[in-house]
Amino acid sequence: KAGVTQTPRYLIKTRGQQVTLSCSPISGHRSVSWYQQTPGQGLQFLFEYFSETQRNKGNFPGRFSGRQFSNSRSEMNVSTLELGDSALYLCASSWGLGGRRNEQFFGPGTRLTVL
Amino acid sequence: DQQVKQNSPSLSVQEGRISILNCDYTNSMFDYFLWYKKYPAEGPTFLISISSIKDKNEDGRFTVFLNKSAKHLSLHIVPSQPGDSAVYFCAASESNFGNEKLTFGTGTRLTIIP
Repeated sequence: KAGVTQTPRYLIKTRGQQVTLSCSPISGHRSVSWYQQTPGQGLQFLFEYFSETQRNKGNFPGRFSGRQFSNSRSEMNVSTLELGDSALYLCASSWGLGGRRNEQFFGPGTRLTVL
Repeated sequence: DQQVKQNSPSLSVQEGRISILNCDYTNSMFDYFLWYKKYPAEGPTFLISISSIKDKNEDGRFTVFLNKSAKHLSLHIVPSQPGDSAVYFCAASESNFGNEKLTFGTGTRLTIIP
């Protein structure tokens, strides 16, 4: 069974640009969660999608948005990039809503650098 | 406001000895706790979990202890092996059906010295 895949793996952008990251969950998984990992903050929850609907949202500004398609693939978009958005963006898939009830399986992440 | 704290950014332990990783939390509504392990260039993988109705859970070489009154949990690895060298994240969740997102700590980098 293929794992969670994320594309691209590395990305360099400049301030003010926007970026779209993609996540393909494990086959059969309907939930996709997104996290931002930075050295000082650890993993911070961005949002979770289940059956194409956003179910949970973390404390990030509206510049961060996402969506989920009917095949459960998900995209995350960050507009008007800031230097502080440089981070590793991880997505995790699970059969049901993730967290305590359903184990989340993480992808390898997309390393975003904003110059 | 960091609700889950891992105050030791790094820890070095000799192979064969016990590794103890600590985690503190501030939100008294957290009632389910997990540990994840992360190797470089890979995503975190689930290691072990514990519900607040228990104070200990074991899985092979890994044991998690929960002290609810102190809002503290720890992960013990015995004996430590070189393959255990990784970053370990603790995470916590509230019992709030439909909104059970995980809150992660900042991670502890464990290095096992051969």
